[in-house]
Amino acid sequence: GNSVTQMEGPVTLSEEAFLTINCTYTATGYPSLFWYVQYPGEGLQLLLKATKADDKGSNKGFEATYRKETTSFHLEKGSVQVSDSAVYFCALSDLGGGGYQKVTFGTGTKLQVIP
Amino acid sequence: SAVISQKPSRDICQRGTSLTIQCQVDSQVTMMFWYRQQPGQSLTLIATANQGSEATYESGFVIDKFPISRPNLTFSTLTVSNMSPEDSSIYLCSAAGYNEQFFGPGTRLTVL
Repeated sequence: GNSVTQMEGPVTLSEEAFLTINCTYTATGYPSLFWYVQYPGEGLQLLLKATKADDKGSNKGFEATYRKETTSFHLEKGSVQVSDSAVYFCALSDLGGGGYQKVTFGTGTKLQVIP
Repeated sequence: SAVISQKPSRDICQRGTSLTIQCQVDSQVTMMFWYRQQPGQSLTLIATANQGSEATYESGFVIDKFPISRPNLTFSTLTVSNMSPEDSSIYLCSAAGYNEQFFGPGTRLTVL
């Protein structure tokens, strides 16, 4: 079955530091890949996505590139802010048995950015 | 895109009781889902809420414990029945769009 593995947190960084959160996946077929973010007390929001190999998703300064050869989708940001403190979930989407897009989530990585 | 609301946003319940969570989507969607997020863990799919028919449950989840209704294309309910402290979690409603899933804000349930 499909699975997503992401680095364990929490990750603590100083403001303006470089962020990398690693994510690797196992899937049959050609999944779409996502990063979701969950700010404290809120629901999940889509941060970025990539639907095919070598695609780069980007949003709010975050980037991730779909690497089929290494089955990875690492999240990066050049300069984090305190407001980026949240839990980040890597996920993949593939057609389920019923023809719908079934989403498999990683365990989440908590990021804390300190001033 | 779709905007999803859930009620209640949080609740504290006694062991042995049941709670029904409502999910409202601001547009008609084909697929709706219910997830559970246990403390410090990732999201686990409970079931797919099918409009006009019985929900499709994932392994480890049963209808008697988590009955689901989906009377139309914009609304669904999840009931957590005969609750125990192990049911303390965040329950999230989700709707599928084109190559993306949208999530509600979640219902934080604490069972004493």
